[in-house]
Amino acid sequence: DVKVTQSSRYLVKRTGEKVFLECVQDMDHENMFWYRQDPGLGLRLIYFSYDVKMKEKGDIPEGYSVSREKKERFSLILESASTNQTSMYLCATRGAGRYSPLHFGNGTRLTVT
Amino acid sequence: AQTVTQSQPEMSVQEAETVTLSCTYDTSESDYYLFWYKQPPSRQMILVIRQEAYKQQNATENRFSVNFQKAAKSFSLKISDSQLGDAAMYFCAPGGSEKLVFGKGTKLTVNP
Repeated sequence: DVKVTQSSRYLVKRTGEKVFLECVQDMDHENMFWYRQDPGLGLRLIYFSYDVKMKEKGDIPEGYSVSREKKERFSLILESASTNQTSMYLCATRGAGRYSPLHFGNGTRLTVT
Repeated sequence: AQTVTQSQPEMSVQEAETVTLSCTYDTSESDYYLFWYKQPPSRQMILVIRQEAYKQQNATENRFSVNFQKAAKSFSLKISDSQLGDAAMYFCAPGGSEKLVFGKGTKLTVNP
């Protein structure tokens, strides 16, 4: 089974702090994704990466950046956290091929105060 | 670009009954796949079922089946013999070569 591990389940940060959300997968998948989930808005794609050191903007990249130095690790960075970034963050991986589904981590609930 | 509409924010069903969750989408891709995901209160997103758009036969996984109408761009999920463990948020997601786009979700309540 694919295992996608997000480093924190709950996180509380202050406005202006730099925040790192870490995601590690053990299935050698090329593709990794960061989604943000908010009630009534579903899942919205922030960034994705299809290879080491490669990244693509999703639908809502503003205020975020990402890092993928190793294939198994994909980090989401909030350079200066703001209260409107309080949300659930979901990391996912996907193998090659159009038929491949996403495999999700357990999510990190981030609160910015 | 892809868009997804789940028109039912909330649904409820009696245990052992059948319920259908609707999903319509729009995509510019010619070769794509469609997925339904379930997110129980534990919040782990789980794949329920997937459908290849070029296949006319509707996918089935045990009590879960889809009604895929390609021309209408409709991809509904039918849950038969509903169980208490089916209570969750359900998300429809069409996907092409790169990424999946998710609907806003339908919250399903199963009443005993």
